[in-house]
Amino acid sequence: AAGVIQSPRHLIKEKRETATLKCYPIPRHDTVYWYQQGPGQDPQFLISFYEKMQSDKGSIPDRFSAQQFSDYHSELNMSSLELGDSALYFCASSSTQAGQVAQPQHFGDGTRLSIL
Amino acid sequence: AQKITQTQPGMFVQEKEAVTLDCTYDTSDQSYGLFWYKQPSSGEMIFLIYQGSYDEQNATEGRYSLNFQKARKSANLVISASQLGDSAMYFCAMIPGTSYGKLTFGQGTILTVHP
Repeated sequence: AAGVIQSPRHLIKEKRETATLKCYPIPRHDTVYWYQQGPGQDPQFLISFYEKMQSDKGSIPDRFSAQQFSDYHSELNMSSLELGDSALYFCASSSTQAGQVAQPQHFGDGTRLSIL
Repeated sequence: AQKITQTQPGMFVQEKEAVTLDCTYDTSDQSYGLFWYKQPSSGEMIFLIYQGSYDEQNATEGRYSLNFQKARKSANLVISASQLGDSAMYFCAMIPGTSYGKLTFGQGTILTVHP
């Protein structure tokens, strides 16, 4: 079965540079989520999109922005990168059913971002 | 606000034995979803099992089962017949409410399976 695809798998940047992470959700999944996982930490929610509209926002720095495109893929744009942005960034997708209990989110393999 | 607590930072189990990973949660919502994820050392996050708050039967998926005790707000993961490949970090997580929502994770439990 098709899974969530993230690219790139690894990314090395220097401070103050910019980065763009891409996510292709499972076909027919209508909601995309971004999470950040620091070393030894649990994943922290950044932002989500439902049917291409931002649906929720977590602890996402102002230096980061994201969007979901007409083909449902999503991009996380990160600017003025800092050492503390080094982390594993996950994209997840789910198929929502209005009024029903929340459904599982399926994660991509993540993008490991290292800031030098 | 919702909270997930995993009180076991690390667990050890002998190969082929069963192990229980503890998870308690706190939410004021009547509807919610509970999830377990496995994260091997390679880093990917693998969905294992799901329990909806209105499900009367405990969820099972192969060797994984979820011991759901709603009144005690606990959702423990039971892995039967442990295998060496089960060694990983395990996260309990919750989405409160209905439809789409962000996952709130516990701190995780590192499981080590000994041969």
